Amino acid sequence: GESVGLHLPTLSVQEGDNSIINCAYSNSASDYFIWYKQESGKGPQFIIDIRSNMDKRQGQRVTVLLNKTVKHLSLQIAATQPGDSAVYFCAATNQGGKLIFGQGTELSVKP
Amino acid sequence: DAGVTQSPTHLIKTRGQQVTLRCSPISGHKSVSWYQQVLGQGPQFIFQYYEKEERGRGNFPDRFSARQFPNYSSELNVNALLLGDSALYLCASSLAAANQPQHFGDGTRLSIL
Repeated sequence: GESVGLHLPTLSVQEGDNSIINCAYSNSASDYFIWYKQESGKGPQFIIDIRSNMDKRQGQRVTVLLNKTVKHLSLQIAATQPGDSAVYFCAATNQGGKLIFGQGTELSVKP
Repeated sequence: DAGVTQSPTHLIKTRGQQVTLRCSPISGHKSVSWYQQVLGQGPQFIFQYYEKEERGRGNFPDRFSARQFPNYSSELNVNALLLGDSALYLCASSLAAANQPQHFGDGTRLSIL
């Protein structure tokens, strides 16, 4: 079956550094991708999305890169802050509303 | 603006019981999806409803059912509860059925004793 996976279950960065969280997906027909941030005791919070006709999209302090050739996407967080500490999930969908989530990467920001 | 709201926030049930979880989508959103999240894992898709019609179903047994009302709110029902049903149940809403950001509520934490 289709799957979405993250490369590292945990990531620790120094405050002010840039963070990069990677994700791979298996279904080449996936056409829409979302990154979520989940803090303890809360639901996933939408960060940024990208469609398969794009390879890069930028938001406030965040950038998502999509490489369809190798079925890989990444989330870059600039100038990481303590408030960025959370679990980050990538999710993919194929022309539908069913999101397939990865296992999550826990980001820890050291002051 | 109110986000996705879910009730109750916590629930404790015993094996064999039945449970109903409720979700109110963001105003204007017509699609509601349900996900199950067990500790340490990503959410798993259960159902999607759009305009009161079921649009998708995940790999869950028939003990799980859902419906969407004319005001686009939704209920998830789980019958004959098992210990393995203990999880965080998340509801997400979106404007359209596909290729739109899904916005999540904070979930219902269901514990089965």
